[in-house]
Amino acid sequence: GAVVSQHPSWVICKSGTSVKIECRSLDFQATTMFWYRQFPKQSLMLMATSNEGSKATYEQGVEKDKFLINHASLTLSTLTVTSAHPEDSSFYICSANGSPAWLFGPGTRLTVL
Amino acid sequence: GQQLNQSPQSMFIQEGEDVSMNCTSSSIFNTWLWYKQDPGEGPVLLIALYKAGELTSNGRLTAQFGITRKDSFLNISASIPSDVGIYFCAGAKTSGTYKYIFGTGTRLKVLA
Repeated sequence: GAVVSQHPSWVICKSGTSVKIECRSLDFQATTMFWYRQFPKQSLMLMATSNEGSKATYEQGVEKDKFLINHASLTLSTLTVTSAHPEDSSFYICSANGSPAWLFGPGTRLTVL
Repeated sequence: GQQLNQSPQSMFIQEGEDVSMNCTSSSIFNTWLWYKQDPGEGPVLLIALYKAGELTSNGRLTAQFGITRKDSFLNISASIPSDVGIYFCAGAKTSGTYKYIFGTGTRLKVLA
């Protein structure tokens, strides 16, 4: 059945480095994917809308040059956290329309030292 | 970012009790979803609602899409320990892409 996967499930990196997170739709195609960020004990906050073949749309307050999104195919969207800092440490979750409802990936926990 | 108001924030209940939580918005939504999230995992869809007034069940879970389109309710009957987790509502407006806005979450703890 339709599933959204993410890779890696967790990553630890040094401050100043860049980290790429992949979001894949399995058994379905997704022209649109969403990226969320979740801090401990908080809800999911929408960061950006990833559109296949076009530029991503970012929510207010989210730096597009820091969080690069590439939706190169109908089954893959990537989020790259550039020059990561400790305050970027969070749980990043993607979602895609698995019809009839939106499915979520298992999340990627990023820890920046 | 925008969030929906969800209440209660947290609740402790005894096993076997029924649970109710709700989600409200200042604006109208055309779709309401309810998710459950376990620690360290992504949200898992519980119930999807697409029509005002709709009442949908999934096992012991029942959710309703409010008539005003500005709220939704989730009820869990006869709670069990594995119901523990965080429950989120999510609403979307039909505007081309279904951009879901999440509620603040209800943290549920079930005492055996």
